[in-house]
Amino acid sequence: GENVEQHPSTLSVQEGDSAVIKCTYSDSASNYFPWYKQELGKRPQLIIDIRSNVGEKKDQRIAVTLNKTAKHFSLHITETQPEDSAVYFCASNTGGFKTIFGAGTRLFVKA
Amino acid sequence: EPEVTQTPSHQVTQMGQEVILRCVPISNHLYFYWYRQILGQKVEFLVSFYNNEISEKSEIFDDQFSVERPDGSNFTLKIRSTKLEDSAMYFCASSGRGFNQPQHFGDGTRLSIL
Repeated sequence: GENVEQHPSTLSVQEGDSAVIKCTYSDSASNYFPWYKQELGKRPQLIIDIRSNVGEKKDQRIAVTLNKTAKHFSLHITETQPEDSAVYFCASNTGGFKTIFGAGTRLFVKA
Repeated sequence: EPEVTQTPSHQVTQMGQEVILRCVPISNHLYFYWYRQILGQKVEFLVSFYNNEISEKSEIFDDQFSVERPDGSNFTLKIRSTKLEDSAMYFCASSGRGFNQPQHFGDGTRLSIL
């Protein structure tokens, strides 16, 4: 069945450094890849998404890249701040009605 | 900004009892979803719903689960006979027209089975 692998499970960076989270999906029909940020006890919130006809997308300090051939996509956060500390989930949607989430990355940004 | 709202925020139920979780999706959205998140784990897809019928469901969504859109605004998840392992946070989400539109999540209902 469909699967999304996410690495690392935990990431600790110094404030101002960059953070990179990587995901791999299995279903070649996947064509939409959202990223969610979840703070403790809160709802997942969409922070950026990318569709399969695009290789890269940027929104201020956040960027996402997609390599369809390798079935990899990555989240890049530059100039990290303490408020970026949260759990980040990648996800994959096959274009139908099913979204598969990765296991999550707990990001700690140390001041 | 419009939001997905869920009630109740916390539900405590005895094992074997039926429970109904309620959601009001964003008003002009057409696609509705339920997800489950066991404490400290990932978000798991349960079911999607469009045009008054289930579009897709996961292996988790067995015969104990059902969904309904009883009127023009509510979207409900029913668990017929709850088990201890049903304890989790349940999130409702909705998205607008077309495929691959961003999903907006509600704040979730924490379900505790005793």
